Amino acid sequence: DGGITQSPKYLFRKEGQNVTLSCEQNLNHDAMYWYRQDPGQGLRLIYYSQIVNDFQKGDIAEGYSVSREKKESFPLTVTSAQKNPTAFYLCASSMGGFTGELFFGEGSRLTVL
Amino acid sequence: AQKITQTQPGMFVQEKEAVTLDCTYDTSDQSYGLFWYKQPSSGEMIFLIYQGSYDEQNATEGRYSLNFQKARKSANLVISASQLGDSAMYFCAMRERNAGGTSYGKLTFGQGTILTVHP
Repeated sequence: DGGITQSPKYLFRKEGQNVTLSCEQNLNHDAMYWYRQDPGQGLRLIYYSQIVNDFQKGDIAEGYSVSREKKESFPLTVTSAQKNPTAFYLCASSMGGFTGELFFGEGSRLTVL
Repeated sequence: AQKITQTQPGMFVQEKEAVTLDCTYDTSDQSYGLFWYKQPSSGEMIFLIYQGSYDEQNATEGRYSLNFQKARKSANLVISASQLGDSAMYFCAMRERNAGGTSYGKLTFGQGTILTVHP
């Protein structure tokens, strides 16, 4: 089935460690996105990519990094510079363009111990 | 200023009744898109309905309809005949042009409204 796969679903990290969240899609979508969600809050955009080998910072990019070497993959690294990384992370993709909705993965819940 | 405002942190509705979830937006673009998503407690995001700024008719998808009032910059979601499975967080979102004005991309989300359907 076509869709977006995020892994791991749950992740625990010690302070000072970098961690990478995986996001893979087989929908042949050009655009991919990473959002962060804190409890009871809306989604905030971290990074997005509209084409391979290109990406742009979102509203809260500090302490995060991404790469887009393949169309299917858009991994997110949460670095030790991110002051408060405990959150729910959602990856999404879309066809791009104006009307295409975002398709989301099931999310990754990161907890810093 | 908030791009998307959802003023109802929580709403309650009786099963089989209709409910309206409010959403107002702020943009100076003439071309934009408005989306509603549902997020159950499992965390997944489910797309419900889309309205383009140039669409003359209000969007409808099954029990969901979007009450689009362009002059008021509001895009309220109406759920008819509520079901217990409708209990979830609901997000309104908007897509505008990127800063360069040449392409459309990211969605900006509101804070969400938690809907609880009572039997």
